Amino acid sequence: DADVTQTPRNRITKTGKRIMLECSQTKGHDRMYWYRQDPGLGLRLIYYSFDVKDINKGEISDGYSVSRQAQAKFSLSLESAIPNQTALYFCATQGENYGYTFGSGTRLTVV
Amino acid sequence: QQQVKQSPQSLIVQKGGISIINCAYENTAFDYFPWYQQFPGKGPALLIAIRPDVSEKKEGRFTISFNKSAKQFSLHIMDSQPGDSATYFCAASTDKLIFGTGTRLQVFP
Repeated sequence: DADVTQTPRNRITKTGKRIMLECSQTKGHDRMYWYRQDPGLGLRLIYYSFDVKDINKGEISDGYSVSRQAQAKFSLSLESAIPNQTALYFCATQGENYGYTFGSGTRLTVV
Repeated sequence: QQQVKQSPQSLIVQKGGISIINCAYENTAFDYFPWYQQFPGKGPALLIAIRPDVSEKKEGRFTISFNKSAKQFSLHIMDSQPGDSATYFCAASTDKLIFGTGTRLQVFP
């Protein structure tokens, strides 16, 4: 099993719909992150969590929300999806040595 | 505001050549500078990283050169191979990683 698992891998949704992207990890790390990847823009931080009770906004949090259900689970929600949220979304965890482990990503298309 | 600026956006190198990707940063509080490699359909994976107290770190064919006074760091890939064809991201961190915009490297036989 992968250390960081994201579901779904691909999703097409309609404008205005609510959608949740899920992330689970088996590494036992406290720190988890959600990034968005767009061509030419790199990876931009949406939200991050340093433990179950800690949630922080990243540089592009508008239109998104998160839930840290347990140490191993960190979900990203789009309350009302819009087309410019079409992107590749990555979840990551961070270990003690600063290294990040990324999931394989969720490709989201909003039509 | 792009805190970590990366260039070039794309790079084409002949097999056996040297690939060089450059990054510059603004925030002097950054204390960790990793490079990530990403293949299509995969998440980024840590390739090599450096801290600002050293000027160079080498792991196999991959070297980071770090210039603290200029606030710049670069990745050198020696003897580039077709299997190195991927997108490379530099990043910088205090308590969270800030990524550059990425460089798509293509190595031709």
